Amino acid sequence: SQKIEQNSEALNIQEGKTATLTCNYTNYSPAYLQWYRQDPGRGPVFLLLIRENEKEKRKERLKVTFDTTLKQSLFHITASQPADSATYLCAPGGKLTFGTGTRLQVTL
Amino acid sequence: GAVVSQHPSRVICKSGTSVKIECRSLDFQATTMFWYRQFPKKSLMLMATSNEGSKATYEQGVEKDKFLINHASLTLSTLTVTSAHPEDSSFYICSALSSEPETQYFGPGTRLLVL
Repeated sequence: SQKIEQNSEALNIQEGKTATLTCNYTNYSPAYLQWYRQDPGRGPVFLLLIRENEKEKRKERLKVTFDTTLKQSLFHITASQPADSATYLCAPGGKLTFGTGTRLQVTL
Repeated sequence: GAVVSQHPSRVICKSGTSVKIECRSLDFQATTMFWYRQFPKKSLMLMATSNEGSKATYEQGVEKDKFLINHASLTLSTLTVTSAHPEDSSFYICSALSSEPETQYFGPGTRLLVL
């Protein structure tokens, strides 16, 4: 069956460092993959979409990679700030299944 | 980015009453909208797919008579929780699907508490 896994339920990093979140999927081949941010008690907010023919995509301090061979996407936040603290969800395109998310905590 | 609104944001009701939640796509037309339920510290759980002008498609284990969905226009879908019970208390989130490429834009969610 199709499965989505995101690394570690929680990730703690220091302000200014780069946070790297992982999304692995199995048993299907999405044409694109999306990343969302969710704050407590709020709906997810769309961040980035990367297509299968794009190796990397950037938006301000965010960078996403998509390796269709490894069936993996990496989500990077550079120069992280406490305001980046949230849960980040990945969603392989065309499916309505989300990973359980990685809760990122950026400390001073 | 696209905007999706939900109303109400929070509702408290008595057991046995029905509650209606609205989901609107404000700046694009959405043939398809989705309704999710989320428990604390858990991932989104898809409840049903709402299709404009036709019946909703429910996921396995979701009672269609309990959770009534109406998608009467390209910008509005409603979820009615009928005869609500305390176990229906949860965070309900809708999303609207935009095309080219397919991207879900989520509403802010509705927190339902049934007493």
